[in-house]
Amino acid sequence: LAKTTQPISMDSYEGQEVNITCSHNNIATNDYITWYQQFPSQGPRFIIQGYKTKVTNEVASLFIPADRKSSTLSLPRVSLSDTAVYYCLVGPGGGGNKLTFGTGTQLKVEL
Amino acid sequence: KAGVTQTPRYLIKTRGQQVTLSCSPISGHRSVSWYQQTPGQGLQFLFEYFSETQRNKGNFPGRFSGRQFSNSRSEMNVSTLELGDSALYLCASSVSGRSDEQYFGPGTRLTVT
Repeated sequence: LAKTTQPISMDSYEGQEVNITCSHNNIATNDYITWYQQFPSQGPRFIIQGYKTKVTNEVASLFIPADRKSSTLSLPRVSLSDTAVYYCLVGPGGGGNKLTFGTGTQLKVEL
Repeated sequence: KAGVTQTPRYLIKTRGQQVTLSCSPISGHRSVSWYQQTPGQGLQFLFEYFSETQRNKGNFPGRFSGRQFSNSRSEMNVSTLELGDSALYLCASSVSGRSDEQYFGPGTRLTVT
């Protein structure tokens, strides 16, 4: 599976938009990009998945440029409850049954 | 519908012992994967079962094994426990395990003393 690089940590304030970028230079043609969120002592939770351009759901947006060598997870108007670790994964069909997690990005949201 | 459940939630064992962890996937999900999470190594894939067959395996020693039953419930066994096996063990289920979203359980916190 393609290796991913994300910032180790990010800080934000409530109400702001947060953008977390992930680099995946070796992404393969059949790879999808998937983001998971994890709170302490809980299992990761699926946020969003995409292949190209832009994907939006009720929680977040995922922006993928044409070369697909990076992607950006956008969280609109974050709240304290968005404080968590965010993982970017790249693999066939979003990693499917064998997810390879990187170190993730620790997002801290303050008042 | 009910989410992925894992039992027990917490477990304390002694070095050399063995342990069995259980995972009940979401109804209708046939793929069950197991992950180990530690502060030092992060989240690492152990193995995946689909229709009672191991379909993928991570880079863990043979002390780690698993199985899946006909109702898709899965168990993971670790024999001859070592201190380094202390971790959060997570189970995830999905419909088919391919190109679909994985749903994780709350995990089993194993402490080896």
